[in-house]
Amino acid sequence: QQQVKQSPQSLIVQKGGISIINCAYENTAFDYFPWYQQFPGKGPALLIAIRPDVSEKKEGRFTISFNKSAKQFSLHIMDSQPGDSATYFCAAWGGATNKLIFGTGTLLAVQP
Amino acid sequence: DAMVIQNPRYQVTQFGKPVTLSCSQTLNHNVMYWYQQKSSQAPKLLFHYYDKDFNNEADTPDNFQSRRPNTSFCFLDIRSPGLGDAAMYLCATSRDWGTGSQPQHFGDGTRLSIL
Repeated sequence: QQQVKQSPQSLIVQKGGISIINCAYENTAFDYFPWYQQFPGKGPALLIAIRPDVSEKKEGRFTISFNKSAKQFSLHIMDSQPGDSATYFCAAWGGATNKLIFGTGTLLAVQP
Repeated sequence: DAMVIQNPRYQVTQFGKPVTLSCSQTLNHNVMYWYQQKSSQAPKLLFHYYDKDFNNEADTPDNFQSRRPNTSFCFLDIRSPGLGDAAMYLCATSRDWGTGSQPQHFGDGTRLSIL
């Protein structure tokens, strides 16, 4: 119940294309859903986050879509750039343990 | 203007030789976390401090200890490192505890190698 399932494990997108990463959760007590971007040799950096009272949040080229009934959320990267090549982690916070539960990560490669 | 600073960035130690990793923060956050991240895996929470209150994860080996002498600094001590402890160690902070106090801010980590 505490897991966050993330797919795909890896993704190759052409420059200018749309990158889509999906996550699913079981615990309905989760109430905060961040996405982190991590470059090699760096720590995870918060990219964008959403709370379950909204269905979509957009910041620049990055959009989170949230489906509360399906217990799914996704990250869309519009106009993907080579500089977006990184590992992306979805996560969820809340519930009894009150700690950040990470997905397994998606390695994104944007080809020029 | 780094907010969570980890030193050193790279640390090499010998099998069984104690090692200490450090983390400092300029955010004045109440909560500090230590994560272990192995290659191609998600960060794994080891423990956290809420102010001076230490909270250990149930599956964190006894080999790992932590100290928080003041709000700004937190240390990770590995008493007898084994080969399986080679990893990136990440420090993170959050303003307080609970959903309203997220997100967590991560440092750039210390890459620990064991010879």
